[in-house]
Amino acid sequence: EVQLVQSGAEVKKPGESLKISCKGSGYSFTSYWIGWVRQMPGKGLEWMGIIYPGDSDTRYSPSFQGQVTISADKSISTAYLQWSSLKASDTAMYYCARHRSRQAGSSTGPYYYYYMDVWGKGTTVTVSS
Amino acid sequence: SYELTQPPSVSVSPGQTARITCSGDALPKQYAYWYQQKPGQAPVLVIYKDSERPSGIPERFSGSSSGTTVTLTISGVQAEDEADYYCQSADSSGTYRDVVFGGGTKLTVL
Repeated sequence: EVQLVQSGAEVKKPGESLKISCKGSGYSFTSYWIGWVRQMPGKGLEWMGIIYPGDSDTRYSPSFQGQVTISADKSISTAYLQWSSLKASDTAMYYCARHRSRQAGSSTGPYYYYYMDVWGKGTTVTVSS
Repeated sequence: SYELTQPPSVSVSPGQTARITCSGDALPKQYAYWYQQKPGQAPVLVIYKDSERPSGIPERFSGSSSGTTVTLTISGVQAEDEADYYCQSADSSGTYRDVVFGGGTKLTVL
């Protein structure tokens, strides 16, 4: 069975650092993109970015570029989402998700797009003084 | 930036048909995906490539596409279908296109 197991809930103060994790099992971890989705309280889903554990190629949403760091350790089939200095506005649920990549064609040439077929249960991050 | 537009809410009685729409200028050229999120749970993929259903998803869930609008249809709605539904597609330009979500639609089963 394909599974993504996320680390437990975190309560932090503004300015602190944090690294949450997502461990994949039941599939070849290095052969699929894995990424993170934010859901602020009572709000919708926001895509943050992805990493390909096979070669550590990483892509970020412009909204999250520079705000977080996505990494992976393929030796233990684990992806990470990291903050160096948390803000109260980082309070949210964070989901990891396995991404499927597909290629399509356009008038300007081929392009790649993604969708999510397996999700972790989420990690709640609360940032409060 | 590219946007997908969904109605905030849809209400239906049990046994009726629910239709949830998602509009975006690039949808005629790009596939849409649908996720169901029940309260307190992670999202689940219910439709991929506009109209394909993953294994384990009930047949009452179907998807269609027409022009700039894609539609998730739930036939014979059951109480357990009450959830938030999100459409997803890709950004409209670039070689590696970012994931874009619609704002979500809350389905209420009356």
